[in-house]
Amino acid sequence: AQKVTQAQTEISVVEKEDVTLDCVYETRDTTYYLFWYKQPPSGELVFLIRRNSFDEQNEISGRYSWNFQKSTSSFNFTITASQVVDSAVYFCALSEGTGGSYIPTFGRGTSLIVHP
Amino acid sequence: DSGVTQTPKHLITATGQRVTLRCSPRSGDLSVYWYQQSLDQGLQFLIQYYNGEERAKGNILERFSAQQFPDLHSELNLSSLELGDSALYFCASSGGGEVAKNIQYFGAGTRLSVL
Repeated sequence: AQKVTQAQTEISVVEKEDVTLDCVYETRDTTYYLFWYKQPPSGELVFLIRRNSFDEQNEISGRYSWNFQKSTSSFNFTITASQVVDSAVYFCALSEGTGGSYIPTFGRGTSLIVHP
Repeated sequence: DSGVTQTPKHLITATGQRVTLRCSPRSGDLSVYWYQQSLDQGLQFLIQYYNGEERAKGNILERFSAQQFPDLHSELNLSSLELGDSALYFCASSGGGEVAKNIQYFGAGTRLSVL
């Protein structure tokens, strides 16, 4: 069965610090998809990124970057030069492409607090 | 703005009552998903509809039911409400039926408080 672990329940940083949110997943499928979502204090879940299991290239989008490593089953998310607006709960999710559940399983989320 | 609309934003009701939550998916999306988010259980998948038909079922209680109408909007019905049903209920939509790579776009949620 698929499983997503976000071991960090809460992280507190000061503005401009870099921060990495960890995501470790478990799956027996060879085809799967990983996602990150952001849930700001307003409550809605906002899609950030999708990565498939065949593409281990890291991705950078502005201050956000993602490191996907199949060898360690991890899909970590780094925010560079954090800002107060980055304060939110961040969720990692996994869906399986073949033989498993295509419905994504979400981790429990990591609450990021960025202090001014 | 994700394009997914959920109403109402907040709902306060009493135990034993029944409520209906409504969701309008993004234009063109055929799949609708319902999730429950509570502090102790995290984000739990309840049910998926695709073009009017139930496609997948998760941890949905028998007291809960859903449907998707011909115009693709969906409703989640919660009955015989208990205190433990208090949670944030999300609707999400995506373009495909059961393709795992589909990105789900979430609505703003309905916060249900059962008193």
